[in-house]
Amino acid sequence: AQSVTQLGSHVSVSEGALVLLRCNYSSSVPPYLFWYVQYPNQGLQLLLKYTSAATLVKGINGFEAEFKKSETSFHLTKPSAHMSDAAEYFCAVSVGGNNRLAFGKGNQVVVIP
Amino acid sequence: GAVVSQHPSRVICKSGTSVKIECRSLDFQATTMFWYRQFPKQSLMLMATSNEGSKATYEQGVEKDKFLINHASLTLSTLTVTSAHPEDSSFYICSAGGGRETQYFGPGTRLLVL
Repeated sequence: AQSVTQLGSHVSVSEGALVLLRCNYSSSVPPYLFWYVQYPNQGLQLLLKYTSAATLVKGINGFEAEFKKSETSFHLTKPSAHMSDAAEYFCAVSVGGNNRLAFGKGNQVVVIP
Repeated sequence: GAVVSQHPSRVICKSGTSVKIECRSLDFQATTMFWYRQFPKQSLMLMATSNEGSKATYEQGVEKDKFLINHASLTLSTLTVTSAHPEDSSFYICSAGGGRETQYFGPGTRLLVL
């Protein structure tokens, strides 16, 4: 069954520093992978997605992620953290033929001034 | 981009009552919608897949008689929590499918059962 693993529930990063959130997937078929961001008491907003096209995917707010099949990874990065990046980030994989999503446990990002 | 709304955004009810949550796709049609539940500081757990014009498909462990789902049109799905109890208090989020590539999420509904 398809699944994703996110390690480290809380991630602290200094303002202006690199943001790196790790996501590893398990899938028996070529996966569709997603990163979503959630601000407090809100729904999820799509940051970016991988759908078997380019392996380096650029998203909104300066985020990007690289699909590495050999490492079964889809890590999310942003070169310079901003205070507004403080939020919860979820990696997800599309499961089955009806577009169901399986989510990782999420990373709570805290940006330190 | 596609917009999904939920109503209400927040609801407080007494134990034993039923609560209905609406999920609407505002500018696109969705044959499939999904209902998730999120506990504090935790990830989203898929409860059920809502299919327009047919019965919903529930995930293992989700009581279909307690969480009634109706998807009567291509833009509206409803989740009714029947005979709510305090342990049903949670954040409920819906999403509408944009094909295999994207799901669009609603802003969520905070349910508090007293």
